[in-house]
Amino acid sequence: EIVLTQSPGTLSLSPGERATLSCRASQSVSSSYLAWYHQRPGQAPRLLIYGASNRAAGIPDRFSGSGSGTDFTLTISRLEPEDFAVYYCQQYGGSPLITFGQGTRLEIK
Amino acid sequence: QVQLQESGPGLVKPSETLSLNCTVSGHSVTSDYWGWIRQPPGKGPEWIGYIYYSGSTNYNPSLNSRVTISLDTSKKQLSLKLTSVTAADTAVYYCVRDRSVSWYFSWGQGTLVTVSS
Repeated sequence: EIVLTQSPGTLSLSPGERATLSCRASQSVSSSYLAWYHQRPGQAPRLLIYGASNRAAGIPDRFSGSGSGTDFTLTISRLEPEDFAVYYCQQYGGSPLITFGQGTRLEIK
Repeated sequence: QVQLQESGPGLVKPSETLSLNCTVSGHSVTSDYWGWIRQPPGKGPEWIGYIYYSGSTNYNPSLNSRVTISLDTSKKQLSLKLTSVTAADTAVYYCVRDRSVSWYFSWGQGTLVTVSS
């Protein structure tokens, strides 16, 4: 199983600041198969980034993804109030086919 | 725009079978990948499996012997059956869909299923 480890567990920042979230895989993941979601309380996860660096439809350009191999990063350039949520990375290709990280909680400082 | 709506019992007894449906609107079910993901309270999502519109399936090995996912194209309905449930199966269950097998753009609102006697 490909285990995804996200860091930090909790990130406390203020609106307007830059956020950098990390996702590390236990074995190499194809960049084509790494995605990021966020989840607000009481809502379903929402796809933000697919293929490591492609924004999903309707996602603002303050969200960007990068990385390859075992290290991937989600960056939010300037935090808006609605960005405070839990963020998950997800990979495809191992066994099971799809696994998620344990999440990073982005909270208002 | 595709809409997914899960339905089914909110409470299931241990050792019984969990059965959920997902009604699809605004999109054809004769294409794409359709699946189920669950999320235990306070934890991250767990992929259950998918069915391709052609009928091929792939399940999480940890659940493989207990899970069946089916797609009724005439009713535009996706179904999940999970047998021999225990308290560990308590979770919010989401119906999902995408053109890609690799991630999921469309999610239902989710339905909480509690396993308890």
